[in-house]
Amino acid sequence: GQQVMQIPQYQHVQEGEDFTTYCNSSTTLSNIQWYKQRPGGHPVFLIQLVKSGEVKKQKRLTFQFGEAKKNSSLHITATQTTDVGTYFCAGAYNNNDMRFGAGTRLTVKP
Amino acid sequence: GAGVSQSPRYKVAKRGQDVALRCDPISGHVSLFWYQQALGQGPEFLTYFQNEAQLDKSGLPSDRFFAERPEGSVSTLKIQRTQQEDSAVYLCASGRPLKGQFFGPGTRLTVL
Repeated sequence: GQQVMQIPQYQHVQEGEDFTTYCNSSTTLSNIQWYKQRPGGHPVFLIQLVKSGEVKKQKRLTFQFGEAKKNSSLHITATQTTDVGTYFCAGAYNNNDMRFGAGTRLTVKP
Repeated sequence: GAGVSQSPRYKVAKRGQDVALRCDPISGHVSLFWYQQALGQGPEFLTYFQNEAQLDKSGLPSDRFFAERPEGSVSTLKIQRTQQEDSAVYLCASGRPLKGQFFGPGTRLTVL
Protein backbone atom coordinates (compact mmCIF):
# COMPACT_ATOMS: atom_id res chain seq x y z
CA GLY A 1 0.00 0.00 0.00
CA GLN A 2 0.91 3.64 0.02
CA GLN A 3 3.69 4.39 2.45
CA VAL A 4 5.85 7.29 3.43
CA MET A 5 9.30 6.37 4.65
CA GLN A 6 11.16 8.83 6.83
CA ILE A 7 14.80 8.80 7.90
CA PRO A 8 16.65 9.01 10.14
CA GLN A 9 14.60 7.73 13.05
CA TYR A 10 16.73 9.63 15.56
CA GLN A 11 19.17 12.50 15.28
CA HIS A 12 21.25 13.91 18.10
CA VAL A 13 23.12 17.13 17.39
CA GLN A 14 25.16 19.69 19.19
CA GLU A 15 23.48 23.07 19.44
CA GLY A 16 24.47 25.10 16.40
CA GLU A 17 24.80 22.11 14.10
CA ASP A 18 22.49 21.59 11.15
CA PHE A 19 19.81 18.91 10.94
CA THR A 20 18.01 17.27 8.02
CA THR A 21 15.21 14.73 7.82
CA TYR A 22 14.09 13.04 4.62
CA CYS A 23 10.81 11.56 3.45
CA ASN A 24 10.20 9.31 0.50
CA SER A 25 7.03 7.93 -1.03
CA SER A 26 6.73 4.97 -3.36
CA THR A 27 4.09 6.80 -5.39
CA THR A 28 3.49 10.39 -6.41
CA LEU A 29 2.05 12.68 -3.78
CA SER A 30 -0.49 15.41 -4.36
CA ASN A 31 1.09 17.40 -1.56
CA ILE A 32 3.24 16.92 1.51
CA GLN A 33 2.90 18.47 4.94
CA TRP A 34 5.36 18.77 7.79
CA TYR A 35 4.53 18.68 11.48
CA LYS A 36 6.43 19.05 14.73
CA GLN A 37 5.46 17.18 17.87
CA ARG A 38 6.97 18.05 21.21
CA PRO A 39 7.20 15.33 23.88
CA GLY A 40 3.77 14.82 25.39
CA GLY A 41 2.17 17.12 22.84
CA HIS A 42 0.28 16.75 19.61
CA PRO A 43 1.50 17.35 16.06
CA VAL A 44 1.60 21.00 15.08
CA PHE A 45 1.35 21.97 11.44
CA LEU A 46 4.46 23.65 10.04
CA ILE A 47 4.01 23.89 6.29
CA GLN A 48 2.53 22.37 3.16
CA LEU A 49 4.28 21.89 -0.18
CA VAL A 50 2.23 21.37 -3.31
CA LYS A 51 4.29 22.15 -6.40
CA SER A 52 7.00 20.02 -7.94
CA GLY A 53 10.43 21.29 -6.88
CA GLU A 54 8.93 23.73 -4.40
CA VAL A 55 11.19 25.23 -1.73
CA LYS A 56 9.85 27.14 1.25
CA LYS A 57 11.65 28.74 4.16
CA GLN A 58 10.56 29.58 7.67
CA LYS A 59 13.41 31.35 9.45
CA ARG A 60 16.01 28.60 10.00
CA LEU A 61 13.82 25.86 8.47
CA THR A 62 13.97 25.01 4.77
CA PHE A 63 11.46 22.64 3.20
CA GLN A 64 11.85 21.05 -0.22
CA PHE A 65 9.54 19.00 -2.40
CA GLY A 66 11.18 16.84 -5.03
CA GLU A 67 10.70 17.30 -8.75
CA ALA A 68 8.87 13.98 -9.00
CA LYS A 69 6.72 14.82 -5.96
CA LYS A 70 7.84 11.61 -4.29
CA ASN A 71 10.31 12.96 -1.76
CA SER A 72 10.75 15.86 0.57
CA SER A 73 13.21 17.18 3.12
CA LEU A 74 13.30 19.48 6.09
CA HIS A 75 16.56 21.18 6.93
CA ILE A 76 17.21 23.17 10.09
CA THR A 77 20.21 25.48 10.11
CA ALA A 78 22.08 26.11 13.36
CA THR A 79 19.81 24.11 15.64
CA GLN A 80 18.67 25.49 18.97
CA THR A 81 17.40 23.67 22.05
CA THR A 82 13.90 24.89 21.19
CA ASP A 83 14.04 22.75 18.03
CA VAL A 84 13.81 19.57 20.12
CA GLY A 85 10.92 17.31 19.16
CA THR A 86 9.81 14.81 16.57
CA TYR A 87 9.38 16.01 13.02
CA PHE A 88 6.84 14.20 10.86
CA CYS A 89 6.14 14.42 7.18
CA ALA A 90 2.66 13.55 5.98
CA GLY A 91 1.98 12.71 2.37
CA ALA A 92 -1.38 13.23 0.74
CA TYR A 93 -2.26 10.86 -2.09
CA ASN A 94 -5.64 12.12 -3.16
CA ASN A 95 -6.08 15.18 -0.98
CA ASN A 96 -7.98 13.01 1.46
CA ASP A 97 -5.80 10.12 2.49
CA MET A 98 -2.86 11.22 4.63
CA ARG A 99 0.07 8.94 5.41
CA PHE A 100 2.48 10.02 8.09
CA GLY A 101 6.12 9.04 8.20
CA ALA A 102 7.43 7.42 11.38
CA GLY A 103 9.06 10.71 12.36
CA THR A 104 12.58 11.84 13.17
CA ARG A 105 13.23 12.52 16.83
CA LEU A 106 15.65 15.40 17.22
CA THR A 107 17.57 16.02 20.40
CA VAL A 108 19.88 18.99 20.80
CA LYS A 109 22.73 19.11 23.25
CA PRO A 110 23.39 22.63 24.56
CA GLY B 1 -13.57 27.63 19.03
CA ALA B 2 -9.91 28.34 19.65
CA GLY B 3 -8.77 24.91 18.59
CA VAL B 4 -9.66 21.27 18.24
CA SER B 5 -10.82 19.73 21.48
CA GLN B 6 -11.11 16.08 22.38
CA SER B 7 -12.71 14.29 25.29
CA PRO B 8 -12.00 12.50 27.41
CA ARG B 9 -8.29 13.23 27.57
CA TYR B 10 -7.66 9.90 29.26
CA LYS B 11 -9.71 6.74 29.23
CA VAL B 12 -9.04 3.47 30.99
CA ALA B 13 -11.21 0.59 29.82
CA LYS B 14 -11.43 -3.06 30.74
CA ARG B 15 -10.93 -5.49 27.89
CA GLY B 16 -14.26 -6.05 26.18
CA GLN B 17 -15.70 -2.69 27.16
CA ASP B 18 -17.04 -0.26 24.56
CA VAL B 19 -15.63 3.28 24.44
CA ALA B 20 -16.62 6.50 22.67
CA LEU B 21 -14.15 9.26 21.94
CA ARG B 22 -15.34 12.73 21.02
CA CYS B 23 -13.81 15.37 18.79
CA ASP B 24 -14.90 18.99 18.50
CA PRO B 25 -13.21 20.43 15.40
CA ILE B 26 -12.49 24.07 14.68
CA SER B 27 -15.66 25.79 13.57
CA GLY B 28 -15.99 25.91 9.81
CA HIS B 29 -13.44 23.21 9.10
CA VAL B 30 -14.74 20.88 6.44
CA SER B 31 -12.17 18.12 6.84
CA LEU B 32 -11.88 15.91 9.89
CA PHE B 33 -9.38 13.11 10.37
CA TRP B 34 -8.92 10.45 13.03
CA TYR B 35 -5.50 8.96 13.70
CA GLN B 36 -4.13 6.35 16.05
CA GLN B 37 -0.67 7.01 17.47
CA ALA B 38 1.29 4.36 19.31
CA LEU B 39 4.18 5.36 21.54
CA GLY B 40 7.19 6.40 19.48
CA GLN B 41 5.34 6.09 16.18
CA GLY B 42 3.81 8.48 13.72
CA PRO B 43 0.05 8.99 13.55
CA GLU B 44 -1.66 6.17 11.65
CA PHE B 45 -4.59 7.25 9.49
CA LEU B 46 -7.93 5.80 10.53
CA THR B 47 -10.66 7.68 8.72
CA TYR B 48 -11.55 10.94 7.00
CA PHE B 49 -14.72 13.03 6.83
CA GLN B 50 -15.62 15.85 4.54
CA ASN B 51 -18.51 17.55 6.30
CA GLU B 52 -20.81 14.68 7.31
CA ALA B 53 -19.62 12.30 4.62
CA GLN B 54 -17.12 9.64 5.58
CA LEU B 55 -15.02 9.56 2.43
CA ASP B 56 -12.34 7.17 3.55
CA LYS B 57 -12.38 4.59 6.31
CA SER B 58 -9.66 2.38 4.94
CA GLY B 59 -7.48 2.84 8.03
CA LEU B 60 -9.96 1.48 10.56
CA PRO B 61 -8.23 -1.67 11.84
CA SER B 62 -11.33 -3.80 12.30
CA ASP B 63 -15.11 -3.69 12.27
CA ARG B 64 -14.96 -2.95 15.99
CA PHE B 65 -14.04 0.61 15.06
CA PHE B 66 -16.76 2.97 13.92
CA ALA B 67 -16.71 6.73 13.36
CA GLU B 68 -19.47 9.21 12.65
CA ARG B 69 -19.95 12.91 12.10
CA PRO B 70 -23.73 13.19 11.66
CA GLU B 71 -24.05 16.97 11.41
CA GLY B 72 -20.69 17.73 9.87
CA SER B 73 -19.15 19.15 13.03
CA VAL B 74 -18.60 17.00 16.13
CA SER B 75 -17.28 13.52 15.48
CA THR B 76 -17.26 10.39 17.58
CA LEU B 77 -14.94 7.43 17.28
CA LYS B 78 -16.40 4.32 18.86
CA ILE B 79 -14.49 1.19 19.65
CA GLN B 80 -16.47 -1.89 20.57
CA ARG B 81 -15.19 -4.79 22.63
CA THR B 82 -11.85 -3.10 23.27
CA GLN B 83 -8.68 -5.18 23.13
CA GLN B 84 -5.28 -4.47 24.65
CA GLU B 85 -3.83 -3.71 21.22
CA ASP B 86 -6.28 -0.80 20.97
CA SER B 87 -4.28 1.04 23.64
CA ALA B 88 -2.90 4.19 22.00
CA VAL B 89 -3.43 7.90 21.70
CA TYR B 90 -6.31 8.73 19.38
CA LEU B 91 -5.82 12.03 17.61
CA CYS B 92 -8.43 14.07 15.84
CA ALA B 93 -7.49 16.77 13.34
CA SER B 94 -9.55 19.24 11.36
CA GLY B 95 -8.66 21.49 8.50
CA ARG B 96 -9.50 23.17 5.24
CA PRO B 97 -8.37 21.77 1.89
CA LEU B 98 -4.66 22.38 1.26
CA LYS B 99 -4.32 24.33 4.51
CA GLY B 100 -2.88 21.67 6.76
CA GLN B 101 -4.45 19.97 9.72
CA PHE B 102 -4.89 21.21 13.24
CA PHE B 103 -4.65 18.48 15.82
CA GLY B 104 -6.46 18.12 19.10
CA PRO B 105 -4.65 17.07 22.28
CA GLY B 106 -5.66 13.46 21.78
CA THR B 107 -7.33 10.86 23.95
CA ARG B 108 -5.00 8.38 25.60
CA LEU B 109 -6.80 5.04 25.74
CA THR B 110 -5.48 2.30 27.99
CA VAL B 111 -7.14 -1.10 27.81
CA LEU B 112 -6.45 -3.36 30.76
